[in-house]
Amino acid sequence: DTGVSQNPRHKITKRGQNVTFRCDPISEHNRLYWYRQTLGQGPEFLTYFQNEAQLEKSRLLSDRFSAERPKGSFSTLEIQRTEQGDSAMYLCASSLFRVTTNEKLFFGSGTQLSVL
Amino acid sequence: EDQVTQSPEALRLQEGESSSLNCSYTVSGLRGLFWYRQDPGKGPEFLFTLYSAGEEKEKERLKATLTKKESFLHITAPKPEDSATYLCAVHGSSNTGKLIFGQGTTLQVKP
Repeated sequence: DTGVSQNPRHKITKRGQNVTFRCDPISEHNRLYWYRQTLGQGPEFLTYFQNEAQLEKSRLLSDRFSAERPKGSFSTLEIQRTEQGDSAMYLCASSLFRVTTNEKLFFGSGTQLSVL
Repeated sequence: EDQVTQSPEALRLQEGESSSLNCSYTVSGLRGLFWYRQDPGKGPEFLFTLYSAGEEKEKERLKATLTKKESFLHITAPKPEDSATYLCAVHGSSNTGKLIFGQGTTLQVKP
């Protein structure tokens, strides 16, 4: 068990460019979450998957953001036409969801995005 | 709407000086309250889950307690390595694992 892995750790881009982040969850986990965190704030929910199905998206999630989880394994988060306000730490978390047990989220180290 | 508020925003302690962090929550149906520790540049690391009022959990110098409206994270005789941001989060009323986080308390323990 190597934990949740996120790549890249840091990304610097120019406004208007597209960026894509990758998350590899803990292997047996069926749920995968994306959060965004800005300095001095707690993580803010963006979206989550159960296996390959995207079950919920935050109302705050712009249509410039899209996430996928093909085959229920790794996930990608793409931001199109980046804006300076997109600068943040993007966190991925995974969990093993079962109806009969309580769910616990394990987080990766995040991808720090800076939009210039 | 589910909401979590943490206080204080920042706390400075001398090594060995015990204190408590507060997490107040508003949720229509609490399915779990979580405490995480976050070091600079890293993701949150799980500490505790509490499910019902009166429940307590301990880990080394940390003890978490839960009432119907708030949770406390008690830090006994802290050491410099306890310096971090402590995040509180709740599983709210929706039927998902989505966590609603507070803004965190940044703890600095000076030797």
